[in-house]
Amino acid sequence: GENVEQHPSTLSVQEGDSAVIKCTYSDSASNYFPWYKQELGKGPQLIIDIRSNVGEKKDQRIAVTLNKTAKHFSLHITETQPEDSAVYFCAASEGWEGIIKTSYDKVIFGPGTSLSVIP
Amino acid sequence: DAGITQSPRHKVTETGTPVTLRCHQTENHRYMYWYRQDPGHGLRLIHYSYGVKDTDKGEVSDGYSVSRSKTEDFLLTLESATSSQTSVYFCAISEGGMSYEQYFGPGTRLTVT
Repeated sequence: GENVEQHPSTLSVQEGDSAVIKCTYSDSASNYFPWYKQELGKGPQLIIDIRSNVGEKKDQRIAVTLNKTAKHFSLHITETQPEDSAVYFCAASEGWEGIIKTSYDKVIFGPGTSLSVIP
Repeated sequence: DAGITQSPRHKVTETGTPVTLRCHQTENHRYMYWYRQDPGHGLRLIHYSYGVKDTDKGEVSDGYSVSRSKTEDFLLTLESATSSQTSVYFCAISEGGMSYEQYFGPGTRLTVT
């Protein structure tokens, strides 16, 4: 089955610097790759996602890149701010839309990266 | 924030007792999920539902059962709690299947002594 690895497990950066978190996946059928941010005491929240027909996607200070050949994808945060401090999770799934599937369709999460932005 | 509530938010129970966690949504989303979160493991799917009375197993379903009798409620039951089920449990919802954004609830911290 699918396995998602995530590195590093912890990351500290100075405010204003960039942060990069990398994930690898094993199932070549995976085609949907979301990133979630979890603040302390809260549930995860989607911050950006990418599908396999796209190599890169940006949203203000956040970008995600995908290399399907190498089976890895990365989250890039530029101009980091203290409020970026949180745990970040990558995930991979063989996504489907619309119709009901009768078989189990997994979303596999990575173990998480704890990001600390030092003022 | 998506209208998702979980109850209770904290629970301590003894080994062997049954426990039911409740997830309630006000978004009328079709899909609902139960995850557990443990250090070093990220989020692991326990069970999910794709409609009223339609449920399926996730990757860590042993020891858990679910029920969904109404669109807005998804119950997770530990028939006989064990210490290995000590965890933080999150409910999530989505409009479509798993390639749609999932909205997570605030979580329930369960301790089995």
